Amino acid sequence: DADVTQTPRNRITKTGKRIMLECSQTKGHDRMYWYRQDPGLGLRLIYYSFDVKDINKGEISDGYSVSRQAQAKFSLSLESAIPNQTALYFCATSAKETQYFGPGTRLLVL
Amino acid sequence: KQEVTQIPAALSVPEGENLVLNCSFTDSAIYNLQWFRQDPGKGLTSLLLIQSSQREQTSGRLNASLDKSSGRSTLYIAASQPGDSATYLCAVRPIGFKTIFGAGTRLFVKA
Repeated sequence: DADVTQTPRNRITKTGKRIMLECSQTKGHDRMYWYRQDPGLGLRLIYYSFDVKDINKGEISDGYSVSRQAQAKFSLSLESAIPNQTALYFCATSAKETQYFGPGTRLLVL
Repeated sequence: KQEVTQIPAALSVPEGENLVLNCSFTDSAIYNLQWFRQDPGKGLTSLLLIQSSQREQTSGRLNASLDKSSGRSTLYIAASQPGDSATYLCAVRPIGFKTIFGAGTRLFVKA
């Protein structure tokens, strides 16, 4: 089984809808991250969490919120989806330096 | 603000060729630099991590170098194979926490 899993893998939604992307990890890491990737751009950090009680904004947090339900679970919500949130979303975990990534969620907002 | 640039954006080589991927960054005050491989539908896989005090790291046919003073890193792939076809991402961790990623180099190795 994969160490970092993301659900759903693909999602199509409409403008204004609220959606949640979920991430689970079995690596026992305290640190978890959400990134988005757009064509021609590097990954950009949305939110990160150092432990269950710690949530921090990344460089592009507007329009997003997160929840760290447990050490192993970190969810990303789009409160009211808009078309420019169409992207590939990655969850990652780390203990120290190396980040381990999930397979990604491809989101299309119509 | 730290910026990471990767050149070229895409590269096609015949099988067996040795190749170099380039990464440049604007601020030399970094904690480490990491190279990742991205395959479609499989996320990113860490290949090599170089701490700021190191000059290079090697893993199998891969060798990554770091020159902080010039703001450059290279990823050398020896004897390329079709299975090396993927997008290669460079990521810099500044002094602080947030990792900055380059846009990647898409590599295609022709059989």
